[in-house]
Amino acid sequence: QKEVEQNSGPLSVPEGAIASLNCTYSDRGSQSFFWYRQYSGKSPELIMFIYSNGDKEDGRFTAQLNKASQYVSLLIRDSQPSDSATYLCARGDMRFGAGTRLTVKP
Amino acid sequence: DTGVSQDPRHKITKRGQNVTFRCDPISEHNRLYWYRQTLGQGPEFLTYFQNEAQLEKSRLLSDRFSAERPKGSFSTLEIQRTEQGDSAMYLCASSLTGTVKYYGYTFGSGTRLTVV
Repeated sequence: QKEVEQNSGPLSVPEGAIASLNCTYSDRGSQSFFWYRQYSGKSPELIMFIYSNGDKEDGRFTAQLNKASQYVSLLIRDSQPSDSATYLCARGDMRFGAGTRLTVKP
Repeated sequence: DTGVSQDPRHKITKRGQNVTFRCDPISEHNRLYWYRQTLGQGPEFLTYFQNEAQLEKSRLLSDRFSAERPKGSFSTLEIQRTEQGDSAMYLCASSLTGTVKYYGYTFGSGTRLTVV
């Protein structure tokens, strides 16, 4: 079992919709998580860091952490074609999931 | 300071040869990670340095891989006796203790290795 699990997708949503990306983890001791975005052929770039149970919002992005259920999610509101990328979930010690590929269709 | 720099950007080598990659982190960053990434997969952890100390190394890594960070600044990753399965993008990421929750880790552009 991988340390961080993500549905590889692809996930396709229409422009303007909410995209929901999910991540589960096996180590109950994990305290914090990152969401990174990776465009094709580019390196990962940070979207958000979350370490408290509940929601954290930054612009169109909302990260949710539920330590009891061991999952982390990322919601992207008003999705744009420029959001089309692979979204990577990582534990605080920088262990990554396989990523979920998101396509936003105009 | 223009971010994390990796050199070379591309490397083609014959099977069995040794290769070495370099990573120059952002100047004040004390934490440094190396990853390997293949198409359609997330970055696979290889090793982690805090200053010059190598604090963790993946158990998946064979003895053919070694990394150093001699003065706590730049780091090198060496692969000995390369195999075709080593073909991948090798990424370096750095951060400064205490700033991770604000800025995360900054990645370099990577070194793409092709073993023929």
